[in-house]
Amino acid sequence: EVQLVESGGGLVQPGGSLRLSCAASGFTLSTYFMHWVRQAPGKGLEYVSSITSNGDNTYYANSVKGRFTISRDKSNNTLSLQMGSLRAEDMAVYYCARSRYSGSYFLEYWGQGTLVSVSS
Amino acid sequence: SYVLTQPPSVSVAPTQTARITCGANNIGTKSVHWYQQKPGQAPVLVVYNDNNRPSGIPERFSGSNSGNTATLTISRVEAGDEADYHCQVWDRDSDFVFGTGTKVTVL
Repeated sequence: EVQLVESGGGLVQPGGSLRLSCAASGFTLSTYFMHWVRQAPGKGLEYVSSITSNGDNTYYANSVKGRFTISRDKSNNTLSLQMGSLRAEDMAVYYCARSRYSGSYFLEYWGQGTLVSVSS
Repeated sequence: SYVLTQPPSVSVAPTQTARITCGANNIGTKSVHWYQQKPGQAPVLVVYNDNNRPSGIPERFSGSNSGNTATLTISRVEAGDEADYHCQVWDRDSDFVFGTGTKVTVL
């Protein structure tokens, strides 16, 4: 059974840093195109970042480029998101997701999410 | 950037049909995917590539896509269908683009 479990969320001050993790089970993370998507309170879904299966390519939304870094650890089968220079507008539930390609990419499996709060 | 516009809310009586639209310029040339999200839960894929259902999704969920509008149709609506619904497309320039989301209320 495919499972994604996020952790690492919490309260951080503006300008601070936080590292989110997503533990995958039931599949090998390094064989899939993986993603982070966030949802601010009461708002819609927003794409954050992606990493290709071989880890050679990473992609970021303009809103986080230069501040966030996506990576994966093959030994632990874990996806990570290092977040820096956090702003109030980064406050959201962060989901990791596994995609599938069938002419287009869509998000087939999602974790339960981890909440990031940014406040002084 | 590519913008997907959804109505904020749709209300429907049980056993009736709900239609949720997702509008954008020439969206009919792209593949559209739909997610259901219940309060406090992660999104769940209900339709992919315009009109395909993942395993376990009831046949009551269907989709269409043409011109400037994609539509998710929920037939014979049940109380358990009450949720937010999000459309999504992907392209090489914009990566993942999500719609503004629609809250479906079952009367």
